[in-house]
Formats: sequence, C-alpha cells, structure tokens
Amino acid sequence: DAKTTQPPSMDCAEGRAANLPCNHSTISGNEYVYWYRQIHSQGPQYIIHGLKNNETNEMASLIITEDRKSSTLILPHATLRDTAVYYCIVKKGTNAGKSTFGDGTTLTVKP
Amino acid sequence: AAGVIQSPRHLIKEKRETATLKCYPIPRHDTVYWYQQGPGQDPQFLISFYEKMQSDKGSIPDRFSAQQFSDYHSELNMSSLELGDSALYFCASSLRSYGYTFGSGTRLTVV
Repeated sequence: DAKTTQPPSMDCAEGRAANLPCNHSTISGNEYVYWYRQIHSQGPQYIIHGLKNNETNEMASLIITEDRKSSTLILPHATLRDTAVYYCIVKKGTNAGKSTFGDGTTLTVKP
Repeated sequence: AAGVIQSPRHLIKEKRETATLKCYPIPRHDTVYWYQQGPGQDPQFLISFYEKMQSDKGSIPDRFSAQQFSDYHSELNMSSLELGDSALYFCASSLRSYGYTFGSGTRLTVV
C-alpha cells in the first residue's frame, strides 16, 4: 500500500471549514484513498473514501487532485466534537482488508 | 444498528498471565480484524480472519494467537503477558466491500 504524508497537527475555529491535506505521491491506479478519524481512545471511525472523483457524504467531502497524488478532506462546519486524529490511508480495492495507520493529523477545533 | 462488540472493556493482568479478548462482529460481516494501539501510538494491524480462516497477518507476537469461530465471533489469546502488551486492542469487521467498522476496544493493562 502507498505511503501517505499528513501534517502532524492543525487548528480550526468552530463553525469554519477544516481542510486536512494528505500527500500520496506513490499511489497506484487501483488504490483508493480512505479517511478515518479517532476521537480520544475510541475505535477509529470511517469517514469517506474515493478513487479519483470527488466524493461527498453527510460527514465530509473528499477532494482528490487530477494526478491523484494528493487529497484534501473537508469538514464543512467543524464542531468541537470533530477534534480528533484524522488518518489518511491508501489501499487497494474496496473497503476491506487491513488498514495501515500512519501518522495522522491531530485536528483541534477551538471555540 | 448493531455495532462491533468487544469484551471486556477493561482488563488488568499481571506479567506472565494469560488474557483472552473477545470480538463479536456486526451480523453478516464475514471478516474480522484485530489491531493493537499502544499509548500515544497509531493502531497497528495484528491479524485478520475471513470466513473463519486466517486471511492476513501483521505484527502479531508469537505469544498471541487468534481464531474465528463458527458464529463468526473472534478471540485474541495472549500468553506470557509483558508490560509492553499494555494497549488498546481494537476489533473491526467488514463484509467484502461494505462497511469497515471498529469496536470500542479493550484496554489491557499489564502490571
């Protein structure tokens, strides 16, 4: 699975959009980009995933660049409960198989 | 909706003792994954089972073993416990390409 690079930490004001970047320059054609988050000591929670098109669900939007070497997770209106570690994971195929969690981004939403 | 159930939530054991963690996947999910997350670390994949057969293996110590039973629940057995085994142990389940869901974890403390 391709390696990902994320900033170690980010701050965001409550109610504003949080934009979390992820670099995955070695991604291959059959690898998907997944985003999970982990709120302190809870189990990781699936957020969204995509292959090459932008995706949106009730939690977030995922923007993938045309060359697929980077992506951005967007939380449109961050709340204090969105404070968590956000993991960008690249892996082959569908949402199954082991996930390799690297160093995620600690997002702190401030009032 | 039913989630992944893990038991116990908390477990305290002494060094060299044995511990058994249990995981009950979401009904009809056919794959179970085990992850270990040490203090301040990212979740690390240990092992997975698909249809009761081991499907993938990660950094699982030889002192640990796991299996998936006919009712699809899984157990992680840990023997000769060491202080370094103190961690959160997460179980996740999935059904092929749908729904990769984590449980709330078992916090194991070895004293």
